[in-house]
Amino acid sequence: KNQVEQSPQSLIILEGKNCTLQCNYTVSPFSNLRWYKQDTGRGPVSLTIMTFSENTKSNGRYTATLDADTKQSSLHITASQLSDSASYICVPLKGGYNKLIFGAGTRLAVHP
Amino acid sequence: DAMVIQNPRYQVTQFGKPVTLSCSQTLNHNVMYWYQQKSSQAPKLLFHYYDKDFNNEADTPDNFQSRRPNTSFCFLDIRSPGLGDAAMYLCATTLGLAENEQFFGPGTRLTVL
Repeated sequence: KNQVEQSPQSLIILEGKNCTLQCNYTVSPFSNLRWYKQDTGRGPVSLTIMTFSENTKSNGRYTATLDADTKQSSLHITASQLSDSASYICVPLKGGYNKLIFGAGTRLAVHP
Repeated sequence: DAMVIQNPRYQVTQFGKPVTLSCSQTLNHNVMYWYQQKSSQAPKLLFHYYDKDFNNEADTPDNFQSRRPNTSFCFLDIRSPGLGDAAMYLCATTLGLAENEQFFGPGTRLTVL
């Protein structure tokens, strides 16, 4: 059973619009949750890292939310730009576990 | 400044011809990881080094080997590449436990002819 489910699988939006990506996870015990941005043909780059006590965290136009009780997280992108076109990967970290558990990602395409 | 460097960025090899991918880091992190990522899929952990201790994932084929001669460098050796091994190979590093942030390299795109 997948421990991380992301939705939607892919998304197309127009430049300047907002969007929200979802992540549900079953990882336990929970340590922290990360959102990565991965451009095509590049390695993932960390956007945010949230611990269980944090409900929201922003990084520029990216805002992540976390509900550790329902094991849900979202990534909201405001005023999208063409450069936001990428895959966004949710990675909940299992406490005491020295490995990352990756979601399959949401592929976002921002069109002019 | 690049912190995790992977060479080459693109590698083409022939079926069955051994190939070595390289990763170096300037962060002095003690943990280094190798991931395989196929198109539209999540990265899949192959193995990692915690200091000098090698940790192989149970489902990593024997065809994949790794070497870490020192803290800064780690190599991925594919002894007999098959067509199914064509993928992006990502190197990542972290300090201590994975609870700390992992830094990824840009990846090496491997093509097998």
